[in-house]
Amino acid sequence: GAVVSQHPSWVICKSGTSVKIECRSLDFQATTMFWYRQFPKQSLMLMATSNEGSKATYEQGVEKDKFLINHASLTLSTLTVTSAHPEDSSFYICSARSRGIGELFFGEGSRLTVL
Amino acid sequence: GDSVTQMEGPVTLSEEAFLTINCTYTATGYPSLFWYVQYPGEGLQLLLKATKADDKGSNKGFEATYRKETTSFHLEKGSVQVSDSAVYFCALKYKNTDKLIFGTGTRLQVFP
Repeated sequence: GAVVSQHPSWVICKSGTSVKIECRSLDFQATTMFWYRQFPKQSLMLMATSNEGSKATYEQGVEKDKFLINHASLTLSTLTVTSAHPEDSSFYICSARSRGIGELFFGEGSRLTVL
Repeated sequence: GDSVTQMEGPVTLSEEAFLTINCTYTATGYPSLFWYVQYPGEGLQLLLKATKADDKGSNKGFEATYRKETTSFHLEKGSVQVSDSAVYFCALKYKNTDKLIFGTGTRLQVFP
């Protein structure tokens, strides 16, 4: 099946620094990508939806200046956590929808720990 | 608002045991229901789905029936294998939207 890859799979950073997480669709063109966040023992929560070439649409309560999403090409979306703080420590998962098929494919997730 | 509730794990079973992972939902409309599975080190994969009441989704020996009267979509398998060890997510989605509403996930551990 289609593959979506995230990088890095885990990252540790100092408070105040920015961290970028990449999401790539390896064998299909993704017109739409989605970013989720999961805190321990909680549900996966949709953060934002990004369409190639346009600005991301953020869910209520998600700070767009804090979580910068760029979907520059049909195979790559990036999530940048700016000025990260310990409360941003979480598991971030992306998913991508293939043009014309509609099924969602998920990345393996990226665990961010902010010290 | 809409939500999905799953049983808290981990669920620990011996090989060939019967599996049930409970999932109930709260919805204002008539969503489709899904089970996703995440194997270690991999992304979530769609396991099965049902789009309307009384539909049964099935795949790889797993089954779940969309029960509107009990607002449930419990996942079952008659005989689990060690390779079924994974995290299972229940989710709902409305037609014409991309927003999946997930449960917390339930970790299944199957021992030989």
